[in-house]
Amino acid sequence: KAGVTQTPRYLIKTRGQQVTLSCSPISGHRSVSWYQQTPGQGLQFLFEYFSETQRNKGNFPGRFSGRQFSNSRSEMNVSTLELGDSALYLCASSRDLAGAGAYEQYFGPGTRLTVT
Amino acid sequence: SQQGEEDPQALSIQEGENATMNCSYKTSINNLQWYRQNSGRGLVHLILIRSNEREKHSGRLRVTLDTSKKSSSLLITASRAADTASYFCATDALLGGGTSYGKLTFGQGTILTVHP
Repeated sequence: KAGVTQTPRYLIKTRGQQVTLSCSPISGHRSVSWYQQTPGQGLQFLFEYFSETQRNKGNFPGRFSGRQFSNSRSEMNVSTLELGDSALYLCASSRDLAGAGAYEQYFGPGTRLTVT
Repeated sequence: SQQGEEDPQALSIQEGENATMNCSYKTSINNLQWYRQNSGRGLVHLILIRSNEREKHSGRLRVTLDTSKKSSSLLITASRAADTASYFCATDALLGGGTSYGKLTFGQGTILTVHP
């Protein structure tokens, strides 16, 4: 089975711009979670989608948004980029077939975003 | 915010030695998972232990869970240079009796260096 894929792998943007990151989960996985990793804050949960619905959201400003498509692929968008948004953005998928949560999460390689 | 702490923050050993990492957390959990990360890449899932389990093995890995002390440990036996990485524990917290739906809360990690 192919693993979780994320595109692009690297991205450089300027303050004030917006960015869209894409994640394709493992085939058959319906849950997709997004995380931000920075040296200062570590790994922090952004949001989770299951069957095109956001089920959970972390403590991030409204500039961070996401969506999930019917094929379970997910995108996250960050608008009005700030320097502090520079981070590794990771998505993870889970098989969570019954929507009950509590399964292993399998991570993609991440997108390294640099905001200048 | 981080769920808990990992100890030690850094560990340096020789090949063939055992490595033990500890993780403490704050809330009741459904399960606890351990991940490995090499040089800022994606996280690799190592093992999941459920709240009603006390010990689990996978190859050279042994994980214990003590829910009364809200702590877990990861033991890597006969370490190899290829085990050099950061190791994270992550908890799926119990919320209102249910799962936290795709939200894993990570510790700050232990940096393990195995010298050949």
